Amino acid sequence: GNSVTQMEGPVTLSEEAFLTINCTYTATGYPSLFWYVQYPGEGLQLLLKATKADDKGSNKGFEATYRKETTSFHLEKGSVQVSDSAVYFCALTSVLYSSASKIIFGSGTRLSIRP
Amino acid sequence: GAVVSQHPSWVICKSGTSVKIECRSLDFQATTMFWYRQFPKQSLMLMATSNEGSKATYEQGVEKDKFLINHASLTLSTLTVTSAHPEDSSFYICSGTDRVYGYTFGSGTRLTVV
Repeated sequence: GNSVTQMEGPVTLSEEAFLTINCTYTATGYPSLFWYVQYPGEGLQLLLKATKADDKGSNKGFEATYRKETTSFHLEKGSVQVSDSAVYFCALTSVLYSSASKIIFGSGTRLSIRP
Repeated sequence: GAVVSQHPSWVICKSGTSVKIECRSLDFQATTMFWYRQFPKQSLMLMATSNEGSKATYEQGVEKDKFLINHASLTLSTLTVTSAHPEDSSFYICSGTDRVYGYTFGSGTRLTVV
């Protein structure tokens, strides 16, 4: 079945450091890939997405490229801020926006940025 | 953009009582609502999928008689935790879906059963 594996946290970085959170997936066909962010005590917010191979999703300085050859969707940001401290979830769905398709989430990576 | 309004944001109830969580899609019609459960420092686990006007489909291991889901309209879905026990304490999140806005998550409900 479909699954998502992402690097375990917590990840602690200094402000302005470079961030990479690894994510790999297992799926049949051509899934859509997402990164969601969850701030303390809140629900999930979509950070970025990519729906086909070689697509690059980007938002708020974060980027991730859909790599089918390596089945990866690593999240990167060139210079993190304290406000980026949150839990990040990599996720996939096999059929976009269909009632037949649920989102499969990775285990989440907690990111802490120190001033 | 689309918003799913989820209420209450937190609730404390006594063991044995029932609690209802509401999710309303604002400015869009959620043809499908997904309900998730999240334990502390863990990922989201899908509990059930509901389509407007039909019975919910529950994931394996989720008790349908304990977690009652109603999706009576395209803008409202409810999850009722019946006869709640301390082990039901968790963070519950809904997600409304349509083809325009995709998956829109509610802000979550933290349930504590004492």
